[in-house]
Parts: sequence; structure tokens; C-alpha cells
Amino acid sequence: QQQVKQSPQSLIVQKGGISIINCAYENTAFDYFPWYQQFPGKGPALLIAIRPDVSEKKEGRFTISFNKSAKQFSLHIMDSQPGDSATYFCAADGGTSYGKLTFGQGTILTVHP
Amino acid sequence: ETGVTQTPRHLVMGMTNKKSLKCEQHLGHNAMYWYKQSAKKPLELMFVYSLEERVENNSVPSRFSPECPNSSHLFLHLHTLQPEDSALYLCASSQVMAEQETQYFGPGTRLLVL
Repeated sequence: QQQVKQSPQSLIVQKGGISIINCAYENTAFDYFPWYQQFPGKGPALLIAIRPDVSEKKEGRFTISFNKSAKQFSLHIMDSQPGDSATYFCAADGGTSYGKLTFGQGTILTVHP
Repeated sequence: ETGVTQTPRHLVMGMTNKKSLKCEQHLGHNAMYWYKQSAKKPLELMFVYSLEERVENNSVPSRFSPECPNSSHLFLHLHTLQPEDSALYLCASSQVMAEQETQYFGPGTRLLVL
């Protein structure tokens, strides 16, 4: 019940295309859903996050879509650029008095020029 | 830079060695975390310190021993490790009970156990 399932494991997109990464969860206590971006040799960095009281959040080319009834959320990267090539992790938090993130397995995104 | 530093960045050790990983956060946060990142696996939460108390220990073998002397520093003491412990060890910090508990990660220590 604590798992967050992420797909696909890897994704190849042409420059200018749309990248879509999906995550699903079971624990209804989760109330905060961040996405992290990790470049080689760096730690993960927060990209965008959403709470379940909204169905969509957009920041620049990055959008989170959230479906509370289906317990699914996804990251859309519009106009994908080679600089977006990185590993993306979805995560979920909630149910503890301290921060405890449960991470998905990660998606390696490659954007070809 | 995220405000979380980790040293060393790379470490090679034999199975009989004792070494320590250090993490320091300059963000004024009150919680710190150790994660293990292995290839093709989710980030594994190892330990959580909140307000300088250990609040979570996810069945981590005793050959890993955390220490949190204050809210800005976190150590991971290593002894008699196994080759399967080779991984990237990430430290993170956050402000618990904040409206958005974003965790800020350091760059990690790449550990190789021979």
C-alpha cells in the first residue's frame, strides 16, 4: 500500500514533442505529490508538485494532471528539449508528522535533437 | 546548489574498513534524511531525523549507523559493508510541518565496496 508505481521505465522523445510519465498509488493518506528531476552526478531536485484538491497544475512547460478517484497522476512535458533529458521520479507524501516521501522507480527521459 | 552538501563525493572501501559520510544543510531545516539509490530501483529511505530525533529506521542493517549531532549535520557511519551496499547515498533536508515539505537533496556520495 505504500508503493508508488511509475511508468514507463524509459522514454525517448523527439525535440518539440510531448513527454508523458505516469504514476499510480494506493495509499489514500497521501496528500502531496511532487515530481523530482535528477541529472547525472546530481541529487534529485523538485520540479513541480500538486495537492489532491486540484486536478491540474502548470508551471511553464511542465504540467501535473491529477485524478484522485483513479489514484493516478502524471507529468506532461510540453515542447520537450534535449536539456530535459534526465531521470524523473514521482513521489507521494502523507500520513506522518514528519516528511516521508515514497518514490516511484524513476523514468529515464531522452530527448533527441 | 541546493544548500545541502555531502562529503566525500566518491568513496571506495574494502569490506573491513570503517568510514563515515557527512551531510550538512545550510537551509535552517529541522529534518534530515538518508536515502540509498541503486540502479533501476526506487530511492530507498534509510533513516529520518526530525527535530534531531530518529523517527524512522527502515530495517537498515546495523552495519549502517546514523548520527545527527544537531539539526544542520547528519552522518552515516559505515563498517564491514558488503559489495551489494555499493550505491549512491543521498542526504536530504526539509522543514517539517511547513505548508510544502519539499525535500532538498545533496549531490550524493558514490560508494563502491570492494
